[in-house]
This record gives sequence, C-alpha cells and structure tokens, in this order.
Amino acid sequence: ETGVTQTPRHLVMGMTNKKSLKCEQHLGHNAMYWYKQSAKKPLELMFVYNFKEQTENNSVPSRFSPECPNSSHLFLHLHTLQPEDSALYLCASSQKGRRTNTEAFFGQGTRLTVV
Amino acid sequence: AQSVTQLDSQVPVFEEAPVELRCNYSSSVSVYLFWYVQYPNQGLQLLLKYLSGSTLVKGINGFEAEFNKSQTSFHLRKPSVHISDTAEYFCAVEEGGSNYKLTFGKGTLLTVNP
Repeated sequence: ETGVTQTPRHLVMGMTNKKSLKCEQHLGHNAMYWYKQSAKKPLELMFVYNFKEQTENNSVPSRFSPECPNSSHLFLHLHTLQPEDSALYLCASSQKGRRTNTEAFFGQGTRLTVV
Repeated sequence: AQSVTQLDSQVPVFEEAPVELRCNYSSSVSVYLFWYVQYPNQGLQLLLKYLSGSTLVKGINGFEAEFNKSQTSFHLRKPSVHISDTAEYFCAVEEGGSNYKLTFGKGTLLTVNP
C-alpha cells in the first residue's frame, strides 16, 4: 500500500470510446501528477496539479483531459485515443512547500490498451 | 534543462554478486536525486534519495548510492544481490527541490540469475 490508489488497474478501450482514470491519495499531499510510461521510453510527465490548480501541461494532446476536484483526487479523462497512447499511466503525489518537500509517491498504475 | 542518463539498459548478474547501476545527470542548479524501483506490473517505489548532507545515501533493501557533484553522478550499488532484486531501476532528478518536475532516466533492467 503506497498511499496512492489508481483505478482501474487495466483498461481496454476502442478509439471512439470515452473513459476516465481515477487516482486518490491518502497522504495529505498538496501536489498530484500524471505520468505516461511507454515501452523503451523514459517516464513522461503529463500534468501537474498544485492545490487543485494545474501548473504544468507538458504539451499533452487535448484527447487527454485532466481534472482535479480536490487535493486528494485526480482524474484523467480519455477520448478518441490512438493506439500509440497505449501505455502504463502512473499517478503520483508529493508535498511541496516552504518547509517540507517530499519525494513523489506513485500509484500502481493503469495499464491502458487502445484497440 | 535537466536530464538524466542511465548508461546501461540491462545489467545481468549472478545471485550474491555485487552490482552497480550507473546514473549521470545534467543540471545548472542544485538538485535532488532519487532512485526508484519498479517490479513487473507495479508502480514505482522509492529506494533512496539525496537531498543534502552526506554524499553516501543508504536506502531500503541494502542499496546505497553516492552523490558525486564533480562527476554529476549518482550511481546505485548493492554488495550482494538476491533473485528478488530483479526489477527495473530508475534514476530521477529534481531541480531546486521545490520544483514539481521529476526527470527520469530510461531505466536499467537488473536481472539476477541463480
């Protein structure tokens, strides 16, 4: 148990489907992240939220739409994806502030397959 | 901009042998450095971190790493590996400490053979 929970663990979707990935952190952190992990490539930072405000969008296509309703929950809404979007999507959280900076804590990921 | 290079994509070793996984980074400012481990079909778990102070950092599962500022390296070592250490290992750098961006290397697959 890492304190960061992602659902579902596996997802298969067609290119015309709409689905959402969910992440919940139980650590009281103020920052949450989405990363994409593709085979043979480094982890790619997609989005960063700090206190529910998006502070980073790393040139991610608009078919990925993040949502952060509160500091404990993070969603990634998916629509009209492409087969090359198949990857492991990892959520992470950390605490960032003037007095405390923690490392990133990761969830177990959602394995997404686009068919 | 920061970057991380893991020089070996795969490292096969025999059980109880020592191992070193190499990591070099580039950055124009002070950095925090991390090693994460990923087991199959799992997320990333922190092994150890360097924030400041002693350059030799000890982590979980008997791993340690040494920060070398002049060589911009943060190599991971373990004196005697076990079969259960088979996993992918990622080096990561964060500039400044309060930056929200972690930059990862491509990973090193450590395979421990009996």
